[in-house]
Amino acid sequence: EIVLTQSPGTLSLSPGERATLSCRASQSVSSSYLAWYQQKPGQAPRLLIYGASSRATGIPDRFSGSGSGTDFTLTISRLEPEDFAVYYCQQYGSTFGPGTKVDIK
Amino acid sequence: EVQLVQSGAEVKKPGESLKISCKGSGYSFTSYWIGWVRQMPGKGLEWMGIIYPGDSDTRYSPSFQGQVTISADKSISTAYLQWSSLKASDTAMYYCARNHDAFDIWGQGTMVTVSS
Repeated sequence: EIVLTQSPGTLSLSPGERATLSCRASQSVSSSYLAWYQQKPGQAPRLLIYGASSRATGIPDRFSGSGSGTDFTLTISRLEPEDFAVYYCQQYGSTFGPGTKVDIK
Repeated sequence: EVQLVQSGAEVKKPGESLKISCKGSGYSFTSYWIGWVRQMPGKGLEWMGIIYPGDSDTRYSPSFQGQVTISADKSISTAYLQWSSLKASDTAMYYCARNHDAFDIWGQGTMVTVSS
């Protein structure tokens, strides 16, 4: 079973700053099968990125995904107040990473 | 509107059985896999398993195989997650989600509390 590791565990940034989140897999993951989700307290997760780099419906273009093989990145170009949340990567139909919390510095 | 609506919160005692539900609407329920995800209090997301309502093909995470049963009734567009004997460690929020380009639609979650 592929294990996903996310770093950092917590990212403390200010609104307007750029956020770069990493997801590393223990084995190569097909780029077609890597997704990113956002979860805010008390809410269900929301799909942000699928296929490693495609934005889901309604997701602002400040969110972008990249990567291949074992290394994937979620970038938020300029943090808005509503972006402070926990972010998870996932290999489709399988395990999630442990999450990265983006909080306000 | 495409949506998944889950059954309400449950409070159970250890050893009791439970079946929670997830009803899909606004799309062809039999054409997409439905997955279940556990989130223990203050913790991350855990993939439990997935079912294809069209033919009830079901896959489980090794961590949950034998611990829960996933089923579906396509006649009423509903997927289920059930336990035969709950433990305190089953206390968690449980989400169902439609699998289409990853988990694109999520239910609101069902909180299950197991306490004596």
